[in-house]
Amino acid sequence: DVVLTQTPPTLSATIGQSVSISCRSSQSLLHSNGNTYLNWLLQRPGQPPQLLIYLVSRLESGVPNRFSGSGSGTDFTLKISGVEAEDLGVYYCVQSTHAPWTFGGGTKLELK
Amino acid sequence: EVQLQESGPGLVKPSQSLSLTCSVTGYSITSNYWGWIRKFPGNKMEWMGYISYSGSTSYNPSLKSRISITRDTSKNQFFLQLNSVTTEDTATYYCARYRGITGFDYWGQGVMVTVSS
Repeated sequence: DVVLTQTPPTLSATIGQSVSISCRSSQSLLHSNGNTYLNWLLQRPGQPPQLLIYLVSRLESGVPNRFSGSGSGTDFTLKISGVEAEDLGVYYCVQSTHAPWTFGGGTKLELK
Repeated sequence: EVQLQESGPGLVKPSQSLSLTCSVTGYSITSNYWGWIRKFPGNKMEWMGYISYSGSTSYNPSLKSRISITRDTSKNQFFLQLNSVTTEDTATYYCARYRGITGFDYWGQGVMVTVSS
């Protein structure tokens, strides 16, 4: 199975601060069809996960543009440019290039 | 708007079967893929499997001998059955829609299931 390693496991930030979360894969997530199926989700407390980013860098409809994704192959990054209070929760990367689909261990974003 | 809602018992005894229903409104389950994902105490998430628009299924090999996902298209529902549960199956279970490009884009609220005698 593909192992996704997220760092850091916990991130403390102040409102307005820019932060980044890393997701490293145990193997390349580039599919033979040319797509890289790496997504980012946010789970706020008491809520189901919400899709933020798909195909590495495409912003899901309705998601603020302070969220951005980048990367290729095995190294991926989610950046939040100016944290807002509503951004607190647990962030997950998830891959669906290789079966079985797998999730990263999560990064908890909290207020400093 | 696409909405998913899980339902089922919150407590299951060890060695018994866990059965959950996902009711979908606003979109037909005869399109795209429909999956089950669980979140264990702590942050670990696990994809369990899906049923496709055609009724074909795919399961996580870690569960393959115990899991079954079926559907009732007349009710626009799909189902999870997990056999021979143990305390390690205690988790919050989510159903979600999966689209090939966007991935898991709509999720149910989740149902917490505890396995305990």
